[in-house]
Amino acid sequence: KAGVTQTPRYLIKTRGQQVTLSCSPISGHRSVSWYQQTPGQGLQFLFEYFSETQRNKGNFPGRFSGRQFSNSRSEMNVSTLELGDSALYLCASSLRTGDTEAFFGQGTRLTVV
Amino acid sequence: ELKVEQNPLFLSMQEGKNYTIYCNYSTTSDRLYWYRQDPGKSLESLFVLLSNGAVKQEGRLMASLDTKARLSTLHITAAVHDLSATYFCADKTQGGSEKLVFGKGTKLTVNP
Repeated sequence: KAGVTQTPRYLIKTRGQQVTLSCSPISGHRSVSWYQQTPGQGLQFLFEYFSETQRNKGNFPGRFSGRQFSNSRSEMNVSTLELGDSALYLCASSLRTGDTEAFFGQGTRLTVV
Repeated sequence: ELKVEQNPLFLSMQEGKNYTIYCNYSTTSDRLYWYRQDPGKSLESLFVLLSNGAVKQEGRLMASLDTKARLSTLHITAAVHDLSATYFCADKTQGGSEKLVFGKGTKLTVNP
């Protein structure tokens, strides 16, 4: 059974640019969540999608946005990149919401220069 | 606001020794998750604890949950080098959300 797939694995962008990251959940999973991991702030929740609806959003500026498609694949977009956006972005897939186990993808390492 | 605190944040131990990582959380949640992360890698799910008194074991790792004390522990028995990694505990907000709130992680180094 295929796991959570994130693309691309690595990205280097320049300040002011925008970036789109993609996440394909495990087949049959309908919930996708996004997290940012940095050495200073640790793992922080960005947003959660279920059946194409954003159910929850973390404390991040509006430059961070996301969406989920009908096949449960999700994308997140960061506009007007800042140096501080450099991080590992992790996507998690769950069968449904609630008491379920979340499985993480390999992540996208974003470097902003 | 949900808070999760782990200690210690750094743990260096010798092979063959036992140790416990502690995870305190601030809500009345009855669910707790443990993950492992190797350097540069993603998070691997270790344990899902969904009720008070839950105990789960996998190899040299055993996790338990005490919801009254709002405490979960990850006990390492007879550590081996392969267990070297960063371990995170996470709580999940109630209300059917999938939002996980993570502790800062415990970086475990097992020395030969």
